[in-house]
Amino acid sequence: NAGVTQTPKFQVLKTGQSMTLQCAQDMNHEYMSWYRQDPGMGLRLIHYSVGAGITDQGEVPNGYNVSRSTTEDFPLRLLSAAPSQTSVYFCASSPSQGARGETQYFGPGTRLLVL
Amino acid sequence: GNSVTQMEGPVTLSEEAFLTINCTYTATGYPSLFWYVQYPGEGLQLLLKATKADDKGSNKGFEATYRKETTSFHLEKGSVQVSDSAVYFCALRNFGNEKLTFGTGTRLTIIP
Repeated sequence: NAGVTQTPKFQVLKTGQSMTLQCAQDMNHEYMSWYRQDPGMGLRLIHYSVGAGITDQGEVPNGYNVSRSTTEDFPLRLLSAAPSQTSVYFCASSPSQGARGETQYFGPGTRLLVL
Repeated sequence: GNSVTQMEGPVTLSEEAFLTINCTYTATGYPSLFWYVQYPGEGLQLLLKATKADDKGSNKGFEATYRKETTSFHLEKGSVQVSDSAVYFCALRNFGNEKLTFGTGTRLTIIP
């Protein structure tokens, strides 16, 4: 199993450009999520999905869109990039909705710089 | 709501020193508690976990005990190595809830 994969690893955007961060998992996990990591703030949840066709907002959803058409894929879209979206983005997945002790599996991250 | 408070960093220790990274939490219900580690340039990996009061999670020489009375889950290691240099995150997850709540992370640097 490849686990959770993310592409690209690094991206530079200009303000106002759009892009999609890709995330895929091959573990047949129902739950997937996107986090952003900023210095001194830990990881903050952007959006999450409990299964194909179902998505919901997390703590910091503004400026981001998601969709979940398949169990495997959970892309994150930036419609009009802003410098405040400069961050490291992590995708994660887990088998279900929080069974006791169940952990999430993280991808390697995408580093995004918005100029 | 849920929250996790972690010891401020960065923390710098000499090799073979004793490590403690403090973590306290606020949660409704009865959460599971986790420590994740992030090595330079990588994603987060689960280090250890505990699911009920007085449980001790352990892995790679690290330990943490779920203390419900003090709402704490402090990370300890008796003798750190240079390879332990990383950022450590404390996190919690309520039973039946998909979301992980993270602390801000503690950067640990071990010098030879």
